Amino acid sequence: TQLLEQSPQFLSIQEGENLTVYCNSSSVFSSLQWYRQEPGEGPVLLVTVVTGGEVKKLKRLTFQFGDARKDSSLHITAAQPGDTGLYLCAGALGNKLVFGAGTILRVKS
Amino acid sequence: GAVVSQHPSWVICKSGTSVKIECRSLDFQATTMFWYRQFPKQSLMLMATSNEGSKATYEQGVEKDKFLINHASLTLSTLTVTSAHPEDSSFYICSARVRGLDSSYNEQFFGPGTRLTVL
Repeated sequence: TQLLEQSPQFLSIQEGENLTVYCNSSSVFSSLQWYRQEPGEGPVLLVTVVTGGEVKKLKRLTFQFGDARKDSSLHITAAQPGDTGLYLCAGALGNKLVFGAGTILRVKS
Repeated sequence: GAVVSQHPSWVICKSGTSVKIECRSLDFQATTMFWYRQFPKQSLMLMATSNEGSKATYEQGVEKDKFLINHASLTLSTLTVTSAHPEDSSFYICSARVRGLDSSYNEQFFGPGTRLTVL
């Protein structure tokens, strides 16, 4: 059983559509980070959320941290082909990061 | 964000040989670095935590004698895959921990990864 459940695993959508990726856990995290990874490269940090209920926006991406700091969501508005990639959520437990299984997003033009 | 480099970016070796992968923090000092392994289209699996000046802490199921980690300085950690076998072929990624702006949290910044292929 994954400590951090991420869904959906795969998402294939048309350009211009909206989407939401979810990460849920029974554990409380001191912070939660979202990464985007392209094939053959390392993950790139998109955002860190720290406070329960926090909402952060990065252009068309909106990140939310649950009030209890156990869950988070990533919403992308008007997805573009350049958004294609593997999205990973990671919750901080002590010094370590606990990763979700990842969401492979494909945006078709 | 903080920059982490890895070398080599890819390596092909014969079964039974050892391979060393370097992870460097370029513009900051990292007392803690992490080594991950990633299979195609899957998430990252933490192998070990590398602490500067002390022994690495390995995750359950990871053989410390097989995956030797050395964190000799505040900017360099190395992972040596000893007596490599084809099943060790994978994408290895390191990260370095950076304290957040208000020190209330830590962030990890990742290197670009090393693709290891063992023939």
